[in-house]
Amino acid sequence: GAVVSQHPSWVICKSGTSVKIECRSLDFQATTMFWYRQFPKQSLMLMATSNEGSKATYEQGVEKDKFLINHASLTLSTLTVTSAHPEDSSFYICSARGSGGRYEQYFGPGTRLTVT
Amino acid sequence: AQRVTQPEKLLSVFKGAPVELKCNYSYSGSPELFWYVQYSRQRLQLLLRHISRESIKGFTADLNKGETSFHLKKPFAQEEDSAMYYCALNTDTGGFKTIFGAGTRLFVKA
Repeated sequence: GAVVSQHPSWVICKSGTSVKIECRSLDFQATTMFWYRQFPKQSLMLMATSNEGSKATYEQGVEKDKFLINHASLTLSTLTVTSAHPEDSSFYICSARGSGGRYEQYFGPGTRLTVT
Repeated sequence: AQRVTQPEKLLSVFKGAPVELKCNYSYSGSPELFWYVQYSRQRLQLLLRHISRESIKGFTADLNKGETSFHLKKPFAQEEDSAMYYCALNTDTGGFKTIFGAGTRLFVKA
């Protein structure tokens, strides 16, 4: 089956620094990737949708200058949290959808970000 | 408005008992609904999609457009079914995306 990986699995950074999270589709080409945020004991909230080679589409309330998304290739999307603050601490999950199946969406294992 | 509602945060049943996880949706178009499951320390994975009308791990879900519901059912719960279950809706409005319900934690007791 299709596999999506995320790196790192967890990261601790200091306030004011930036951190990059990678999302890779390992055995398929992902034309679209999604970035979600999940707070403890809460559901997934879609942050943005990225299509390969084009700008990401951000959901309402998500700061595009703070959460930079790059989908440079069909197998890689990155989320950079810039000037991180403690309130950015969360679980970030990516998912990927191939060009074939309309319904298939494969999830990464998530990245736990802690900002101190 | 597009919305997915899972009214129960926690559902606890005994092994062998029937289980039903409720999901209601609000969507003006033709809905594409899914159930995702997240076992402890594992990633989210697709369990069921309404269009397939399939049974996975003994679970079934029927789309009821009249009641705008997509409840997940299993006649005899197993301990290994304990997990977080999310109902989700695919939408095409303003671009393809998936809206998740708040999730229901199922705990199956021995």
